[in-house]
Amino acid sequence: DTGVSQNPRHKITKRGQNVTFRCDPISEHNRLYWYRQTLGQGPEFLTYFQNEAQLEKSRLLSDRFSAERPKGSFSTLEIQRTEQGDSAMYLCASSPRVRGLKEQYFGPGTRLTVT
Amino acid sequence: AQSVTQLGSHVSVSEGALVLLRCNYSSSVPPYLFWYVQYPNQGLQLLLKYTSAATLVKGINGFEAEFKKSETSFHLTKPSAHMSDAAEYFCAVRNTGNQFYFGTGTSLTVIP
Repeated sequence: DTGVSQNPRHKITKRGQNVTFRCDPISEHNRLYWYRQTLGQGPEFLTYFQNEAQLEKSRLLSDRFSAERPKGSFSTLEIQRTEQGDSAMYLCASSPRVRGLKEQYFGPGTRLTVT
Repeated sequence: AQSVTQLGSHVSVSEGALVLLRCNYSSSVPPYLFWYVQYPNQGLQLLLKYTSAATLVKGINGFEAEFKKSETSFHLTKPSAHMSDAAEYFCAVRNTGNQFYFGTGTSLTVIP
């Protein structure tokens, strides 16, 4: 399978704990995006990388959130001191290194539940 | 600023009937527009995209969408609904900075 993969698929944590999610994009896709999706809503942009550089961050990305893509391949999203409001589906997407319109390919998501 | 509005959070159609899911966009520049489908507990899958090459865009699974600049709309249609079309559908617009803005989604139910 050469699609976008995310791990874990589900995470249950207690409030105040730190969590880290991983995204492996499609091979050679240079752009990688993180989104958050809550029930009944569309995905909300969090941040995106071009290669290892983090180029844009949403105001939704508070100081408790940090994302990295150290070698320009996989990426991690860490949430520190989780709150119940962080419960959501976290989606990763990647897009290829081609000219013109670059569509995004989404992973299956990581569902976070903060108790 | 770019945004999309999806009218109707829930749409029900009978199997074999026309599917029409509405999307209106707001964009200060010529937009790139997309429709995605999401099945339960899965990521989003691209149905089709508008890139200004043609106003009528054909996608997968028999879906198509027409870009109407005068109405700022990009509605999704399918002539005949199938049970397997039941899912959540999202309209999205991409800005020049590569950010995607998604609508709140429309849940499609197909009645046998």
